[in-house]
Amino acid sequence: QSALTQPASVSGSPGQSVTISCTGTSSDVGTYNLVSWYQQHPGKAPKLMISEVTKRPSGVSNRFSGSKSGNTASLTISGLQAEDEADYYCCSYTGSSTFVVFGGGTKLTVL
Amino acid sequence: QVQLQESGPGLVKPSETLSLTCTVSGYSISSGYYWGWVRQPPGNGLEWIGSIYHSGRSFYNPSLKSRVTISVDRSKNQFSLKLTSVTAADTAVYYCARVPHRELPTAIELMAFDIWGQGTMVTVSS
Repeated sequence: QSALTQPASVSGSPGQSVTISCTGTSSDVGTYNLVSWYQQHPGKAPKLMISEVTKRPSGVSNRFSGSKSGNTASLTISGLQAEDEADYYCCSYTGSSTFVVFGGGTKLTVL
Repeated sequence: QVQLQESGPGLVKPSETLSLTCTVSGYSISSGYYWGWVRQPPGNGLEWIGSIYHSGRSFYNPSLKSRVTISVDRSKNQFSLKLTSVTAADTAVYYCARVPHRELPTAIELMAFDIWGQGTMVTVSS
């Protein structure tokens, strides 16, 4: 079971938008609308930002949005703020034999 | 407000068994949801270990399945992780989390990890 593929790093200036991709296969991202995204600041636990590809939990800023096309899911952060600087992980349900797989993580730097 | 808290030894010797407990407050484990464990080796990404329902039905990462047991104690509102025959590669921060799910006629779909504990660092070393 291979991890989902994410870029190691992305960056953007305050106020800009950035998009983080998460590429899987037809066995996970491509089949199930069960992609979730997590934000992790250094030394902290991950925080759920997006579930079921596009759903934002209560309390998460609407600057965060999710989408999916084929085997690739994406997280877009608009109006970048300094506090958005963190690691971001995608995750997908993969079916009833392997269940869950995470991406390798993307470090977002706000310039 | 639902909170999860991991507890257990921070140091385990190679070849021994790692044992951690997650105590849930603000929500009864018996009311629903799957509950799970995720780990993160230093400087690396997240790895799902396994998840369990209050009934005891559990699912494990195939790569760890031979060494992992997750159990639930409804009377204490806790669930636990045991990982046997540990090596240095098992050194990680271990998180417990709540896992929303969907029941289908032929499958249980694990949807996300919506509430996390703060994590506990476990080092495997002699």
